[in-house]
Amino acid sequence: SSELTQDPAVSVALGQTVRITCQGDNLRKYYASWYQQKPGQAPVLVFHGTSNRPSGIPDRFSGSSSGNTASLTITGAQAEDEADYYCDSRDSSDESRDGSGNYWVFGGGTKLTVL
Amino acid sequence: QVQLVQPGSEVKKPGASVKASCKASGYTFTSYFMHWVRQAPGQGLEWMGIINPSSGRTTYAQRFQGRVTMTRDTSTSTVYMELSSLRSEDTAIYYCARGWGGFDLWGRGTLVTVSS
Repeated sequence: SSELTQDPAVSVALGQTVRITCQGDNLRKYYASWYQQKPGQAPVLVFHGTSNRPSGIPDRFSGSSSGNTASLTITGAQAEDEADYYCDSRDSSDESRDGSGNYWVFGGGTKLTVL
Repeated sequence: QVQLVQPGSEVKKPGASVKASCKASGYTFTSYFMHWVRQAPGQGLEWMGIINPSSGRTTYAQRFQGRVTMTRDTSTSTVYMELSSLRSEDTAIYYCARGWGGFDLWGRGTLVTVSS
């Protein structure tokens, strides 16, 4: 199975731009999704792929992908963006859409500190 | 209201099994795949497996195969995850999450504590 690698910790000054990255071989084939998790709460999807921002997520969150690396960019980071961020992606697949033969994997997470 | 409802907590002894539930409401249950994801204390997220609520077909992460069973009850819009032969390392929050390209709806999780 594949692995997704994230930097354990990243910091950003209030109002500045920060990019959180996720590396893995399966990202050459499948898009990454990004989740924000605050202490004591369930994860929240903040972006999928390169163009899918769920309703209610601020437009300062954006995603991109190149080769084996996916990135989540926060443009103008706010204090409330301080959280853990996880990427995930499909791992291997037999391309079946009935759910069978499809595997997912999460990155180890990045703790974002807003200074 | 679109939501996934999970019980708050369970306590189990080593060697026992736990069957966590996740009740969906506010959307068509059979139209979305459901995943189980766990998070040990202070650790990251770990994908456990997927179930197709329409067909009942499942795929499990390799490290849980033989120990996990995911089922669904379409009459109550509920999915279940049973994990057997529990050990202390299985102490974690177990989340259900809906989706395929991004998990867009999560339950609040069930804290399973394995302790003698």
